[in-house]
Amino acid sequence: DGGITQSPKYLFRKEGQNVTLSCEQNLNHDAMYWYRQDPGQGLRLIYYSQIVNDFQKGDIAEGYSVSREKKESFPLTVTSAQKNPTAFYLCASSANRDRVYGYTFGSGTRLTVV
Amino acid sequence: GDSVTQMEGPVTLSEEAFLTINCTYTATGYPSLFWYVQYPGEGLQLLLKATKADDKGSNKGFEATYRKETTSFHLEKGSVQVSDSAVYFCALGSSNTGKLIFGQGTTLQVKP
Repeated sequence: DGGITQSPKYLFRKEGQNVTLSCEQNLNHDAMYWYRQDPGQGLRLIYYSQIVNDFQKGDIAEGYSVSREKKESFPLTVTSAQKNPTAFYLCASSANRDRVYGYTFGSGTRLTVV
Repeated sequence: GDSVTQMEGPVTLSEEAFLTINCTYTATGYPSLFWYVQYPGEGLQLLLKATKADDKGSNKGFEATYRKETTSFHLEKGSVQVSDSAVYFCALGSSNTGKLIFGQGTTLQVKP
């Protein structure tokens, strides 16, 4: 079945370390997105990519980096510059310019700084 | 710019009660409208959608009608169950940005 896979489900990071969250989709979607969700809060867009080798900053890109070398993959790196990285991270994908069908979401990665 | 406003939660109901979660939007052009549901510890799942005025989206007993005259897309269910307890997000597909814009989410708690 087609879908979007995020790994790992839980991730622990020591302060000062970079960590990379994986997001893979086999839906043949052009566009991919990363969101951050804090407890009791809505979704905030970190980065998005509408085509391979291109990506754009969202509303809260500081302290994060991404790459889009393959259509299927959109990893997110949380760098040591991100001051408050503990959160739930969601990856999503969509057929580009086909917003009628909305986004497909992964099951999320919960990152905790220890 | 385009935006979505949802009623604040939490909404607490007894089992078999009627549910309404209000959602209004501001947008240029002709956006598509969506409701997503998020169960604890999980990602968002598409619940229903509507692509043009007067369309009614429905799924699992939930319904919402695209009302252009009132710029609304309220979510309703006639009889909620404990298993409906979740966070519900209203969203619009922006013709300006090509992206989805989400509301803040409304937490629904259903008690037996």
